[in-house]
Amino acid sequence: GESVGLHLPTLSVQEGDNSIINCAYSNSASDYFIWYKQESGKGPQFIIDIRSNMDKRQGQRVTVLLNKTVKHLSLQIAATQPGDSAVYFCAERGSNYKLTFGKGTLLTVNP
Amino acid sequence: DAGVIQSPRHEVTEMGQEVTLRCKPISGHNSLFWYRQTMMRGLELLIYFNNNVPIDDSGMPEDRFSAKMPNASFSTLKIQPSEPRDSAVYFCASGWRGEQFFGPGTRLTVL
Repeated sequence: GESVGLHLPTLSVQEGDNSIINCAYSNSASDYFIWYKQESGKGPQFIIDIRSNMDKRQGQRVTVLLNKTVKHLSLQIAATQPGDSAVYFCAERGSNYKLTFGKGTLLTVNP
Repeated sequence: DAGVIQSPRHEVTEMGQEVTLRCKPISGHNSLFWYRQTMMRGLELLIYFNNNVPIDDSGMPEDRFSAKMPNASFSTLKIQPSEPRDSAVYFCASGWRGEQFFGPGTRLTVL
């Protein structure tokens, strides 16, 4: 069945460093992937997405990489700031816009 | 735009009571999703609607759970009777062209 998992449940970085959050997925038919950020007491917030016909997509300070060969997704955050501290979820879309979420990675940014 | 609105934000009830959670999606969006989030199981899709019609309710735990979307601007998730294991944060998400926008959630505690 479908499953989305994360390699690292927690990640602690120094302010200004780059962060890399990883995600593995198992459904090779998934055509769309999304990274969400969830701050304490709030709902998940869309960060960036990527379609399966792409390998890389860049946003403002964030980059998503997709490696379909090994079914791996990563989120890179440049110059990490304290405001980036949150739980980050990857999600994959199968059919009918149904998303399957990973368990999440807690990112802590130390000043 | 106010974004997705959920009410109540917090609900504490006793086992056996009926609980109704409410959601107002973003105007113009054609999809609506109900999720449940717990530490143990992460973020789980319960049900989703497209153009007010339930498309997939395979995630609804059991018959105690029901959801309705009488019009494009309102949806409810009802639990009757509630049980302690239903304690979780329930999110509503509004969808448009594959992207989902989450509400702030309702934290439900069943004693």
